[in-house]
Amino acid sequence: AQSVAQPEDQVNVAEGNPLTVKCTYSVSGNPYLFWYVQYPNRGLQFLLKYITGDNLVKGSYGFEAEFNKSQTSFHLKKPSALVSDSALYFCAVRDGRGSGNTGKLIFGQGTTLQVKP
Amino acid sequence: DSGVTQTPKHLITATGQRVTLRCSPRSGDLSVYWYQQSLDQGLQFLIQYYNGEERAKGNILERFSAQQFPDLHSELNLSSLELGDSALYFCASSGRVGSTDTQYFGPGTRLTVL
Repeated sequence: AQSVAQPEDQVNVAEGNPLTVKCTYSVSGNPYLFWYVQYPNRGLQFLLKYITGDNLVKGSYGFEAEFNKSQTSFHLKKPSALVSDSALYFCAVRDGRGSGNTGKLIFGQGTTLQVKP
Repeated sequence: DSGVTQTPKHLITATGQRVTLRCSPRSGDLSVYWYQQSLDQGLQFLIQYYNGEERAKGNILERFSAQQFPDLHSELNLSSLELGDSALYFCASSGRVGSTDTQYFGPGTRLTVL
């Protein structure tokens, strides 16, 4: 079964410092991986996805993620954090591959990012 | 703005009641997904429709049902509501099922059962 783990409930970082939000996955076959962000009282906003190709994926708002197959990880990164990046971040894996799959997303439990001025 | 709309934004109702949540997907998207977000269960997939047909079911209770109409909007019906059904319900849409299309989420409907 596909699964995703976000080992940290909360990450604290000072504004201007680099940030990393961790995600590990377990899938059969090659993974399709996603990062979403949720601001208070808002829906989930898509940040980036890894399907195939370059292991470093660039996304919205200056975020990027590094796919590491040997470590089964897909960590979200940003070189310089902003206070406005404070939010809840979700890693997700798409369920199933090939014909007949549904494409539903399996989410991690979420990581709260707190960026302090 | 993702292009996915959900109504209403908030719903407050009593135990035992029935409610309907509505979702309009992005223009051109054929697939609609419903997810439930609660403090204890996190984000859980409920059900998926593709071009009017049910495609997959997740952790959806028998008291819950959904449908997708010819104009592709979808409704999630929750009946015999219990306190534990209080949650944020999201709808997402994507293009083709089984593809690598991104799912775009609506703003959600916050359901409070008193």
